[in-house]
Amino acid sequence: QKEVEQDPGPLSVPEGAIVSLNCTYSNSAFQYFMWYRQYSRKGPELLMYTYSSGNKEDGRFTAQVDKSSKYISLFIRDSQPSDSATYLCAMSGGTGGFKTIFGAGTRLFVKA
Amino acid sequence: EAGVAQSPRYKIIEKRQSVAFWCNPISGHATLYWYQQILGQGPKLLIQFQNNGVVDDSQLPKDRFSAERLKGVDSTLKIQPAKLEDSAVYLCASSLGQAGHNEQFFGPGTRLTVL
Repeated sequence: QKEVEQDPGPLSVPEGAIVSLNCTYSNSAFQYFMWYRQYSRKGPELLMYTYSSGNKEDGRFTAQVDKSSKYISLFIRDSQPSDSATYLCAMSGGTGGFKTIFGAGTRLFVKA
Repeated sequence: EAGVAQSPRYKIIEKRQSVAFWCNPISGHATLYWYQQILGQGPKLLIQFQNNGVVDDSQLPKDRFSAERLKGVDSTLKIQPAKLEDSAVYLCASSLGQAGHNEQFFGPGTRLTVL
């Protein structure tokens, strides 16, 4: 079993839709949870960061962490064609040290 | 602020040849990472430096991969000899520190194709 599981998609939605992206993980010691966005032929860039459980909102983006279920989510409201990218969940901390473990990434296409 | 620089951007070699990648991190960032990203997968950490010391190289195939960070700034990653399965994007990243909440800044990557 992989430490971090993420559906690779692709996920195709119309412009303006609410997008839900998810990851599950197996290491209960993870403390830091991140979402990175990666455009084609670019390096990943940090989108959202959450420590431990709870919600965090930044503009059209909301990150949720449920440590009891080992489940994290990223919601994108009013999705735009410019949101088309691969979204990588990542986590670190705990017994694994601060090594960051990435999910496989979900490819998102937002159609105009 | 200049970002993480990597070169070359693309490289095509034949199996059993050697190749080297270069990375210049963001000025002042003590931690430098090399990741391997195979098509359709997330980045996998190969090696992490704190200044010029190695913090984690547990997933580096040491029989063929080597890396160094000269004077705690620039870094090179070498593969010798290359195998077909080494075809991937090699990403360099840097951060201020190595704690879990330190944001990693990634370079554009070097896309390696081994024929």
